[in-house]
Amino acid sequence: SQKIEQNSEALNIQEGKTATLTCNYTNYSPAYLQWYRQDPGRGPVFLLLIRENEKEKRKERLKVTFDTTLKQSLFHITASQPADSATYLCALDIGNTGFQKLVFGTGTRLLVSP
Amino acid sequence: DVKVTQSSRYLVKRTGEKVFLECVQDMDHENMFWYRQDPGLGLRLIYFSYDVKMKEKGDIPEGYSVSREKKERFSLILESASTNQTSMYLCASSPPGRNDNEQFFGPGTRLTVL
Repeated sequence: SQKIEQNSEALNIQEGKTATLTCNYTNYSPAYLQWYRQDPGRGPVFLLLIRENEKEKRKERLKVTFDTTLKQSLFHITASQPADSATYLCALDIGNTGFQKLVFGTGTRLLVSP
Repeated sequence: DVKVTQSSRYLVKRTGEKVFLECVQDMDHENMFWYRQDPGLGLRLIYFSYDVKMKEKGDIPEGYSVSREKKERFSLILESASTNQTSMYLCASSPPGRNDNEQFFGPGTRLTVL
């Protein structure tokens, strides 16, 4: 069956360290993958997109990798800050009909302590 | 900035009531989506629309219907609300042209069905 897995346990790290979140998937062949941030009681906010032919993408303190052989994406936040505390969702494209259709993981909660 | 608004942040309804959840976006996006978000299950796609009067079923359409009479407005209808439809409902929109465009989410409506 098709599945997207993100670590359901919260990730606790100290301020200044690098946070690494994992998104694993099975039985999908996505053309791209997106990462979103969600704060409590709010809708997700888009952060980064990485395509299947890209190994790595960066945006300020954020870095995303995409390994289609391992069927895994890693999301890194360097020099983490308490303001980075949130839930991070990965989303895979499965829109093989020509339309956009995303499947979301359940998210990983990140807690950055001062 | 793109703005996606939802008619209510919190809603309490009784079993059997007909419930309307409204979503409006102000950026002339053609694509609009309705998701529900439940703990441990993540975001799940209920319905989506790629044009006015056009709708497509998502992964969990049972018990729901939608209406898109105008480009900016996408309504989710619970024909006869049931307790298992208690959830956070999120509306999103995205621009046309590229299937990998980010989705812009509204703040969500937390619906409780008693």
